[in-house]
Amino acid sequence: AQSVTQLDSQVPVFEEAPVELRCNYSSSVSVYLFWYVQYPNQGLQLLLKYLSGSTLVKGINGFEAEFNKSQTSFHLRKPSVHISDTAEYFCAVSDSTGGGNKLTFGTGTQLKVEL
Amino acid sequence: EAGVAQSPRYKIIEKRQSVAFWCNPISGHATLYWYQQILGQGPKLLIQFQNNGVVDDSQLPKDRFSAERLKGVDSTLKIQPAKLEDSAVYLCASSLGTSSYYEQYFGPGTRLTVT
Repeated sequence: AQSVTQLDSQVPVFEEAPVELRCNYSSSVSVYLFWYVQYPNQGLQLLLKYLSGSTLVKGINGFEAEFNKSQTSFHLRKPSVHISDTAEYFCAVSDSTGGGNKLTFGTGTQLKVEL
Repeated sequence: EAGVAQSPRYKIIEKRQSVAFWCNPISGHATLYWYQQILGQGPKLLIQFQNNGVVDDSQLPKDRFSAERLKGVDSTLKIQPAKLEDSAVYLCASSLGTSSYYEQYFGPGTRLTVT
C-alpha cells in the first residue's frame, strides 16, 4: 500500500520570500510523484510530476521539486512567491500496478502568501 | 480545448435522499475518474473507468454509491440514500489512458451538503 504525508497543514509566507512545502511518501514499488494546486472553488491543476530520469523536476509557475529516494521525499519549492500562489497544494503518488493510474493524495498544505 | 465539465456545481439534500452528479470528460479521453474530497482531506479515488468498463472501484461504498459510463463518454455518480458523512466535493477527472504518464485533468467539482 502507498501513502503520502504532508506534515504542514498551513504555511504562511511573505511575498517574494522562498517557500518549501514538504511531502514524504511510502510505497513498496517504484513510484510516480505529483504536485497539484487547487485554487478556491476550482478543481486540481497539475504543477509538476516525477516519472523517471532527473530527480529535479521543474513545473509551471516557477515551481520545482526534487525526488529523493533515500529519504522518500518529494518537496516542492519556489524561490520567490507571489500573492497569486495562495492556494492549497497536494502531493500525490501513483504506482500504476494493475494498470490503474490510481493517485493517492496527501491531506494538503494551505499556502498563504502575505504582503 | 474544453475542460472536464461537471454539474451541478452545488447541491444540498437531506439525509436519506438520493442525488446524482454528471461528468463530461475531455473529448478523446478514454479514462474517467471520480474522487471524493472531504473538507480538510485530499481527494480519494472512488471509481475509475476505462471506456465503459470499471478498472478500480475498490473504495466505492457499493451499498449506497453507484456509477456508470454507459457509452464510454460521460458518466453519472449516484448516492442513494445519502448520509451526513457523504458531505464532500465530488471531483471528476479524465486522462487519455491508464498509464501514469498521462496527466489527469480535473473538473471544478460538485459540492454536496447533506443535512
